[in-house]
Amino acid sequence: DTEVTQTPKHLVMGMTNKKSLKCEQHMGHRAMYWYKQKAKKPPELMFVYSYEKLSINESVPSRFSPECPNSSLLNLHLHALQPEDSALYLCASSQVVRQRGNTIYFGEGSWLTVV
Amino acid sequence: GENVEQHPSTLSVQEGDSAVIKCTYSDSASNYFPWYKQELGKRPQLIIDIRSNVGEKKDQRIAVTLNKTAKHFSLHITETQPEDSAVYFCAATRVTDSWGKLQFGAGTQVVVTP
Repeated sequence: DTEVTQTPKHLVMGMTNKKSLKCEQHMGHRAMYWYKQKAKKPPELMFVYSYEKLSINESVPSRFSPECPNSSLLNLHLHALQPEDSALYLCASSQVVRQRGNTIYFGEGSWLTVV
Repeated sequence: GENVEQHPSTLSVQEGDSAVIKCTYSDSASNYFPWYKQELGKRPQLIIDIRSNVGEKKDQRIAVTLNKTAKHFSLHITETQPEDSAVYFCAATRVTDSWGKLQFGAGTQVVVTP
């Protein structure tokens, strides 16, 4: 089962709101990621968690706050966002073994609109 | 860091013809090269990948070739069908340290006309 599930699928929020995006996988993957994708652009890496610890933060503004409560769940807390943060937010997961190539599986994404 | 260039940005082909998308990468240490297909409004889905110890890989109508010396890799789709219409992204990464830190190309919009 190569499934990464994300909720909600669509979210509209005001610039003063606090909301969260949620992601879940049951493939036993110990690496989980948040990517941001704008229209007609490739996904851009935001955060990487490995064994529930933050491994990579690609200089993302603090209004985005990731959280990894356990090995299956990944959250992205949103606060005081700007309209330019409107995008598709993709969660992904993969194995974390030092083999040559870790397939990354993406969730369906959460479409975020900031008004 | 790694930089991936992808060409062409758009590709129109007649159904049944072949399509070729080319990518070049800058980091000679990159050793994993996946290709993702993204249909409109959907997630990127892995369609094929290749590791640096292999020069070519094929899966039905899709094939990928890798030239490590020249630092480029290509996606070949034969006998194209309308359902092949999508945006295709190449990517590269060095998995020995930064797992999952894929560097994507800019994408190729493929349109297959019946």
